[in-house]
Amino acid sequence: EVQLVESGGGLVQPGGSLRLSCAASGFRFTNHWMHWVRQAPGKGLEWVSRIDPDSRITTHADSVRGRFTISRDNAKNTIYLQMNSLRVEDTAVYYCARDLVWNAPDYWGQGTLVTVSS
Amino acid sequence: FVMTQTPLSLSVIPGQPASISCKASQSLLYSDGRTYLFWYLQKPGQSPQLLISEVSNRLSGVPDRFSGSGSGTDFTLTISRVEAEDVGVYYCMQGLHIPQVTFGPGTKLEIK
Repeated sequence: EVQLVESGGGLVQPGGSLRLSCAASGFRFTNHWMHWVRQAPGKGLEWVSRIDPDSRITTHADSVRGRFTISRDNAKNTIYLQMNSLRVEDTAVYYCARDLVWNAPDYWGQGTLVTVSS
Repeated sequence: FVMTQTPLSLSVIPGQPASISCKASQSLLYSDGRTYLFWYLQKPGQSPQLLISEVSNRLSGVPDRFSGSGSGTDFTLTISRVEAEDVGVYYCMQGLHIPQVTFGPGTKLEIK
């Protein structure tokens, strides 16, 4: 059974940093691109970042480029999202997701809430 | 890149059909002949689930009352007979035009 379990969310002040983790199991991790997608309270889905299986290609949305960094550790079947210079508008549930094909996630984690507030 | 959906909300009597339109600002047809348009459903309190891949391919376990159609920039998700368990927010998504993977704004389906 495919499982994706996010952790690391919490309350942080504007300008602060946070690192999210996503532990994957139940599939061949090294065969898949992985994504982070977020959802602000009461809002729609916003794609954030993606990473290829070998960590050679990473891509970030315009809204987070230069502040967020996606990475992965294939030995630990885990992806990460390092979030720096956090803003109030980064407040959201952050989902980890597995790529099916062409940037379309098929399996999603349960999400971890990040709240940026003073 | 912009994805638009209409309507943004829908109230349907159980057993009746429902239809959601999705329009992309650029063609989603790739040079390999495939069209990278996807449909998701986010049920209340849950993570999104992928319903349909590449315009019209239902994922395993998705009821056959769900169908997708369209080409180029115009797409439609149809539910032939809405059931109570279909409530939630439906999103279309394009994965072709990177780096900006884009979701539509969502269509909220309620039962009347």
